[in-house]
Amino acid sequence: DTGVSQDPRHKITKRGQNVTFRCDPISEHNRLYWYRQTLGQGPEFLTYFQNEAQLEKSRLLSDRFSAERPKGSFSTLEIQRTEQGDSAMYLCASTSQGLIATDTQYFGPGTRLTVL
Amino acid sequence: DQQVKQNSPSLSVQEGRISILNCDYTNSMFDYFLWYKKYPAEGPTFLISISSIKDKNEDGRFTVFLNKSAKHLSLHIVPSQPGDSAVYFCAASLTDSWGKLQFGAGTQVVVTP
Repeated sequence: DTGVSQDPRHKITKRGQNVTFRCDPISEHNRLYWYRQTLGQGPEFLTYFQNEAQLEKSRLLSDRFSAERPKGSFSTLEIQRTEQGDSAMYLCASTSQGLIATDTQYFGPGTRLTVL
Repeated sequence: DQQVKQNSPSLSVQEGRISILNCDYTNSMFDYFLWYKKYPAEGPTFLISISSIKDKNEDGRFTVFLNKSAKHLSLHIVPSQPGDSAVYFCAASLTDSWGKLQFGAGTQVVVTP
């Protein structure tokens, strides 16, 4: 399977705990995105990497959130001191850099976070 | 603010008939539009896209229409099949925005026998 993979698929944690999610993009893709989807809504953009550089962050990404892509391959998204409002599906997407910035993004299955 | 809107949360259609999904946007600078399909417990899957320089794009049973003056796009699925039952998201992007997608809230399509 050469699609985007995410781990874990489900995470249940208690309020105040830290959690970390991993995304492995399609191997030749140099662009990686994180989105968050809450119930009844579409995915919302969180942040974007081109290779290892984090080039844009949404204002949704509070200082409790941090994302990395250290070698330009896999990425991690960490949430510190989780709150119940962080409960959502966290989606990762990747694409390859083409002549335009609107190349198709391929999504992983997501990590569903539940904060108790 | 929600710049991409799908005002119909659900749509029921008979197998073999046409499904028409609608999407409105408020930002006239958007220049690329996409439709994604999502099954439960899976990530969104790309379906079809259209650039703002076109008004129609067709791929098999799927056709997307873009009306820039009305800031409106629609997805036609014909004929509808049971496997088309899913949530459909409309998304929009700006060429100079690093590909960041802005999604609508989605429309749940149910295709009945």
